Amino acid sequence: RKEVEQDPGPFNVPEGATVAFNCTYSNSASQSFFWYRQDCRKEPKLLMSVYSSGNEDGRFTAQLNRASQYISLLIRDSKLSDSATYLCVVIRYGQNFVFGPGTRLSVLP
Amino acid sequence: DVKVTQSSRYLVKRTGEKVFLECVQDMDHENMFWYRQDPGLGLRLIYFSYDVKMKEKGDIPEGYSVSREKKERFSLILESASTNQTSMYLCASRRDGNTGELFFGEGSRLTVL
Repeated sequence: RKEVEQDPGPFNVPEGATVAFNCTYSNSASQSFFWYRQDCRKEPKLLMSVYSSGNEDGRFTAQLNRASQYISLLIRDSKLSDSATYLCVVIRYGQNFVFGPGTRLSVLP
Repeated sequence: DVKVTQSSRYLVKRTGEKVFLECVQDMDHENMFWYRQDPGLGLRLIYFSYDVKMKEKGDIPEGYSVSREKKERFSLILESASTNQTSMYLCASRRDGNTGELFFGEGSRLTVL
């Protein structure tokens, strides 16, 4: 079993839709959690951190459930520019980043 | 702006050749990383370095070595390239203690024939 798992998608949604991505991690010692975004043929970039209390950044909301070892990302009012692959990232042992395989999102006009 | 520069965007090598992938960052970051990215597998950590002359094995170090003689430069070496090392290689850096943000280079796509 992979340490970080995501639904690979693709998720094809119309503009304006709300879409949610899920991520599960297997190592209970995982300490920090993030969502990265990777555009086609580009490098990954940090989208947002994920905190236990849940956090929001504009149209994006991230949530963490440590008991269930589950992380989510919600995107409201999808834009064409949101089309990308979203990578769930977990830090273990204080240093090593472990990346999920990513979920591909296509927002359609 | 942080910049991480990888020396080659595209390389084509033959089996058995020695391959050097160079990475330079300009923000005085202590930590540097080499990943490979393959479809369905995500990014996998090959090697990382906490500081100059330090290196640690990641999850898939076999067939690779690294060098960090200067703080800004982290090189990945394939001593004898094999076809299963065909992949996208991504270098990243991070300031020590700043847990969340990795800054990536644009990647080097290596094809081994």
